[in-house]
Amino acid sequence: IAGITQAPTSQILAAGRRMTLRCTQDMRHNAMYWYRQDLGLGLRLIHYSNTAGTTGKGEVPDGYSVSRANTDDFPLTLASAVPSQTSVYFCASSPGTGGGEQYFGPGTRLTVT
Amino acid sequence: GQNIDQPTEMTATEGAIVQINCTYQTSGFNGLFWYQQHAGEAPTFLSYNVLDGLEEKGRFSSFLSRSKGYSYLLLKELQMKDSASYLCAVRDGDYKLSFGAGTTVTVRA
Repeated sequence: IAGITQAPTSQILAAGRRMTLRCTQDMRHNAMYWYRQDLGLGLRLIHYSNTAGTTGKGEVPDGYSVSRANTDDFPLTLASAVPSQTSVYFCASSPGTGGGEQYFGPGTRLTVT
Repeated sequence: GQNIDQPTEMTATEGAIVQINCTYQTSGFNGLFWYQQHAGEAPTFLSYNVLDGLEEKGRFSSFLSRSKGYSYLLLKELQMKDSASYLCAVRDGDYKLSFGAGTTVTVRA
C-alpha cells in the first residue's frame, strides 16, 4: 500500500441499506478526514479525526458515523442510506491538524437508489 | 462557517497565462491551499500560503492577501494537461479545511 486506499471504488446501494466505506493510510498520519463532493458544491467535510481514538463532526455529519480504532483506518458508515447521499466520497489524511497539506484517496462513487 | 468564492469556469489558450481568483471570509485563518483535480480523480496539492505575498513553484504561483481575504493561483505557459478543476481551500481557526466549489479550467489548442 502506498498512500491512501479506499474501498469500494464504486457502489450502487438500495435506500435503507447500511453501508461502510473503507479508508486505510500507510503514512502514519495522525489526522484523517471524510469529504463528500457534489457538483457545484465542492468538497464538504463530513467527519474528521485528529488522532486515533478521537472523532469530530464536520459541516454535513447527519446520517454518517465514523470510528478511529487505530492510526491507519477510518471507516465511514451510512446507517440507513438515502438518495441524497448519492455522491463521491473522498478520504484524506494529514500529518497533523496544524501542519501539512491533506492527501486524498482515489474516492468512492456511491449511488443510492 | 466559511464563505469561499471562485469563478466557475475559465478558458485559455495553450501557452497563455490564466489567473484564478479566490475570495474568502473565515472565522480564524491558518493558511490557504490550492488543489488541482482532474476529472474522475482525487484532488492533489499545488500550493500553500499562510503569509502575505507570492509563492512560486515552477509554472504555478499563488498569492495571498490576508487583509483583503484574497488569493489567486497563476498558471503560466499553459499546457493541455492543465485542463482540470482548481480548488481553493482555507484552513480555519480549528484547523479544518473549507473548500470553494472549484474553477474548471479548459485549455484550448
